[in-house]
Amino acid sequence: NAGVTQTPKFQVLKTGQSMTLQCAQDMNHEYMSWYRQDPGMGLRLIHYSVGAGITDQGEVPNGYNVSRSTTEDFPLRLLSAAPSQTSVYFCASSPGFAGELFFGEGSRLTVL
Amino acid sequence: GDSVTQMEGPVTLSEEAFLTINCTYTATGYPSLFWYVQYPGEGLQLLLKATKADDKGSNKGFEATYRKETTSFHLEKGSVQVSDSAVYFCALDRGNQFYFGTGTSLTVIP
Repeated sequence: NAGVTQTPKFQVLKTGQSMTLQCAQDMNHEYMSWYRQDPGMGLRLIHYSVGAGITDQGEVPNGYNVSRSTTEDFPLRLLSAAPSQTSVYFCASSPGFAGELFFGEGSRLTVL
Repeated sequence: GDSVTQMEGPVTLSEEAFLTINCTYTATGYPSLFWYVQYPGEGLQLLLKATKADDKGSNKGFEATYRKETTSFHLEKGSVQVSDSAVYFCALDRGNQFYFGTGTSLTVIP
C-alpha cells in the first residue's frame, strides 16, 4: 500500500536552476496539495487541486507552478530556484472536504 | 483570517508524566479540528480529529475536546511513553485549505 509517494527525497540546486518535485497517490483522492515546512512556521500551503484540471493557490504560491493532468499525479515545479525556497516539501492528498490528509514522506530541498 | 496558535516547545517530560499541549484557533463558523503527529524523518500522520463543538477525538491514549466557547482543542495524554516523542501539530480544516500551527516538539525521557 504505497499511499502518497514523493520523489526525490533530497535535492540540492543552485540559484536559478529549475526542477520538479513529483507526487503520486494511489488512493483515488480528488484533493491534492503541496506544503512547505520551515522551522518555527509550521506547514504552509503552496498550491492545491480539487481534481484533474483544477488547481488553485494557497498561502505561499510565488515561485511555484503546479498542474493536475491526472487524478494520481500532482507535480510541483520550481522555475528558477532561490535560496528562500530551501525547505522541506510535503505532498498530501485527501478524499474530500473535512477528510483526513495523507502525507508523503517529504522532499528536502536545498538551494545554494 | 483563519489561524491556529499552539504552545511553544520544546516540551520535555519524564515517562508516565501527564501531557497537555495547548491549541487555540481563530475561524468563522465551525471548522473541523485535527491533531497530526510527525515522527523523526517522516511525514505527518493523523492522530485524532473532531468535526463539531463538544466532540472528543481520541487515539492511542491521546484526547482532545472541541471547545467552541474557548476556541480551543488542547491535546492531552495521561501517561506519556518514550515512543510518543515527536512533533505535534494542531490544524483546522476550511474545506480546501488546512491551517497548521507551528508544531510542538515533545521529548519523553525514560
